[in-house]
Amino acid sequence: TQLLEQSPQFLSIQEGENLTVYCNSSSVFSSLQWYRQEPGEGPVLLVTVVTGGEVKKLKRLTFQFGDARKDSSLHITAAQPGDTGLYLCAGANFGNEKLTFGTGTRLTIIP
Amino acid sequence: KAGVTQTPRYLIKTRGQQVTLSCSPISGHRSVSWYQQTPGQGLQFLFEYFSETQRNKGNFPGRFSGRQFSNSRSEMNVSTLELGDSALYLCASSPLADSTRSYTFGSGTRLTVV
Repeated sequence: TQLLEQSPQFLSIQEGENLTVYCNSSSVFSSLQWYRQEPGEGPVLLVTVVTGGEVKKLKRLTFQFGDARKDSSLHITAAQPGDTGLYLCAGANFGNEKLTFGTGTRLTIIP
Repeated sequence: KAGVTQTPRYLIKTRGQQVTLSCSPISGHRSVSWYQQTPGQGLQFLFEYFSETQRNKGNFPGRFSGRQFSNSRSEMNVSTLELGDSALYLCASSPLADSTRSYTFGSGTRLTVV
């Protein structure tokens, strides 16, 4: 069974600070996705990384896929209250339509 | 274009009853997946349908079933409801033309079993 552990589980920081969320597994994934979910809504896809060592930037968010394709990180620069939400990583493998979701990181940005 | 539509948004059922949830994917998306989200277990894969065929199934009991229609709309059914079935049930659709598998989720159906 493939598992994805996220850390930290909860994070509460002041507006303007930087933060990093980690997503780790002992298994290799073909691709890894990051989602943000707000209360009462479904997860919204932020990014997909597919190549080991790949780095993608989305405004103030930087996503990295580990060289061995077993881990990933999400770094947010100058956090804003609008970044508040549940961040989920999800791994996928070619030929298998199932997403394996991480345990989630609940982020709160304090104005 | 319209997103993934799930109905109903909220549902309260009694133990032992059965329930049917509906999902309409984005137009042109042929793959529909279902997930269960609970505070304790997080998001767990239930099953995936493509062209009316179930291609993948998660580790859930046989009380959980689903189907997909020719227009790609999907339904999932839970029979003999248990208290532990209370959860947010999410549906996601994918075009499958995208090799990186872009999934779009609906807002979910919040099921409460009493």
